[in-house]
This record gives sequence, structure tokens and C-alpha cells, in this order.
Amino acid sequence: GQNIDQPTEMTATEGAIVQINCTYQTSGFNGLFWYQQHAGEAPTFLSYNVLDGLEEKGRFSSFLSRSKGYSYLLLKELQMKDSASYLCAVGDTGGFKTIFGAGTRLFVKA
Amino acid sequence: GAGVSQSPSNKVTEKGKDVELRCDPISGHTALYWYRQSLGQGLEFLIYFQGNSAPDKSGLPSDRFSAERTGGSVSTLTIQRTQQEDSAVYLCASSSGQGDETQYFGPGTRLLVL
Repeated sequence: GQNIDQPTEMTATEGAIVQINCTYQTSGFNGLFWYQQHAGEAPTFLSYNVLDGLEEKGRFSSFLSRSKGYSYLLLKELQMKDSASYLCAVGDTGGFKTIFGAGTRLFVKA
Repeated sequence: GAGVSQSPSNKVTEKGKDVELRCDPISGHTALYWYRQSLGQGLEFLIYFQGNSAPDKSGLPSDRFSAERTGGSVSTLTIQRTQQEDSAVYLCASSSGQGDETQYFGPGTRLLVL
């Protein structure tokens, strides 16, 4: 079956670093995506990993280990505006179907 | 250029009525997706279209749901005989279909079935 697991909620302090984990068990794999979704808004793309390793993009980094079925999103120098849901999603092999996790709601406090 | 647009932004309907939701993808994007998101939940895949290929309908929850994409551009999601459990935000996304499958989402249609 298809399964993507991520924590339901996390809380972190402004200026700190937070790591949001995602584990997946899917029948196919064509890359892993992270999306950010603010309350009441549509998701927006953050990162895409198809090979193992760390991809860094400003304050956000994403890591993938295909052998472990594991990814994380790392947010540095947290800002209040980073309070949002973070969705982990896996692309299916040979097609465009994408399976989304339930999302992790991140609360950034002062 | 313009992003993905959806209409209506909000729809209130009575149980048993049919509704049509519209999505205009980014110009030139060949892949189009429909998702459903209930309050506080993740995205539930419904259907996707890629070019002229047969759509992947594997996520449609029942035969009351159908979607079409005319001319490879605009898509319409139709829900017949709506039920209260159909109340959700319906999100449309498109991607280039050229290997970079980053999805660009529309603002969604908030459907409330009374």
C-alpha cells in the first residue's frame, strides 16, 4: 500500500532550527516533494529530491535517503511567517500521480 | 504569466444537487491534477490528466465524481447528487509535464453541502 508518515504538529521558537521528518512506503518512487501551506491558502512548492543527499535552498534544506524511505525538511533561522503546514509528497513511478502525507503543522512562537 | 485559477472560489449547495468546479491551468502545462482537502487534513488525490493520455481516475471516491479536460486545457470536476461528506476544499494543480513535476496549485474551491 501507499503510506506517508509525518508528525502531526511541531512547535519551535523564532530564530531556532526545526527538522520535520517524513517516512514513506510507496509502490513506486519518482522523487519526493515538500510543499508549504499557510492556513486557508493553496500549497506552494518548496523542494524536490530525487537522488540521495541534501539539497539546500536558502533557509530551507531537504534531505532524502531512498534506501531508508526517509526524508526531512530543515528550516533554519525560523521566522513567525514560517508557521504553516508542511506537506511531504511522493511522486509515483512512470506517471504523474502524487501521494501526499497529512502534513505537519508547525507553530513558531516568539 | 497567470497562475492556476479556479472557479467558483466558494460554493454552497443543497444535498442532492449537482455541482461543477472549474480549473484553468497554467498555459502550456500538459499535466493537471484534482485533489480534495478536508478541514485540517492532507490532500486526497482524485484524478490527473496528462496530455492526450487516458486520465488516471484511481482516486475518485465514487461514481458520483467525474472530470473532463477539454482541448488539453480547462478542466471541470463534476459532483452529482452531492452529499454532506463532499464538503471540502477542491484544489486543482498543473505541472509542465516535461519532467519537472513541480505542481502549481490554484486557490481552491470551498464546497459546502448543506
